[in-house]
Amino acid sequence: SQTIHQWPATLVQPVGSPLSLECTVEGTSNPNLYWYRQAAGRGLQLLFYSVGIGQISSEVPQNLSASRPQDRQFILSSKKLLLSDSGFYLCAWSRQVGNQPQHFGDGTRLSIL
Amino acid sequence: QQQVKQSPQSLIVQKGGISIINCAYENTAFDYFPWYQQFPGKGPALLIAIRPDVSEKKEGRFTISFNKSAKQFSLHIMDSQPGDSATYFCAATARQLTFGSGTQLTVLP
Repeated sequence: SQTIHQWPATLVQPVGSPLSLECTVEGTSNPNLYWYRQAAGRGLQLLFYSVGIGQISSEVPQNLSASRPQDRQFILSSKKLLLSDSGFYLCAWSRQVGNQPQHFGDGTRLSIL
Repeated sequence: QQQVKQSPQSLIVQKGGISIINCAYENTAFDYFPWYQQFPGKGPALLIAIRPDVSEKKEGRFTISFNKSAKQFSLHIMDSQPGDSATYFCAATARQLTFGSGTQLTVLP
């Protein structure tokens, strides 16, 4: 069966510090990978998605970037965090883009001080 | 532009009652409509999904009703239980998932 892992589960960072969140998927090959942000009490906003190694599409211009160095690894980064980067970050995978279910990890709660 | 509108924002139901959450969409290119259940501190989990070629799908106590002409779909939870208390999100996809704003369901014992 397929599993998705995100770490860390919680993170507290000062403004201006760098960020690296990691997501890995097991049990499947060539998944589509996604990063979402969820504000408190709100729906999910798609930040980035990737259909293959090195292929990143950005949905929302912002202070964040994503990379996919390996088939089942997806990384969310920032060089300098802003207060507005606080939120709940979720990674997801699907077998293909479009009308297929997406499966989510348990997220990282990021607080910027 | 909010492409998937979800209501109500919160819902309180007695144990054993029926919970109904409604969603409406605008983009006629949407071709897959999943519902997700999210518990505090956890990621959303796929609950049930429907494609627009059917009008209803049932899995256990959970049923999706789909009205293509009205561009509306709804989730019905029969015999609601306290363990169903969670936030529910509808979603729709053409190439990417677009989520509704969520409904916080509380089932009273």
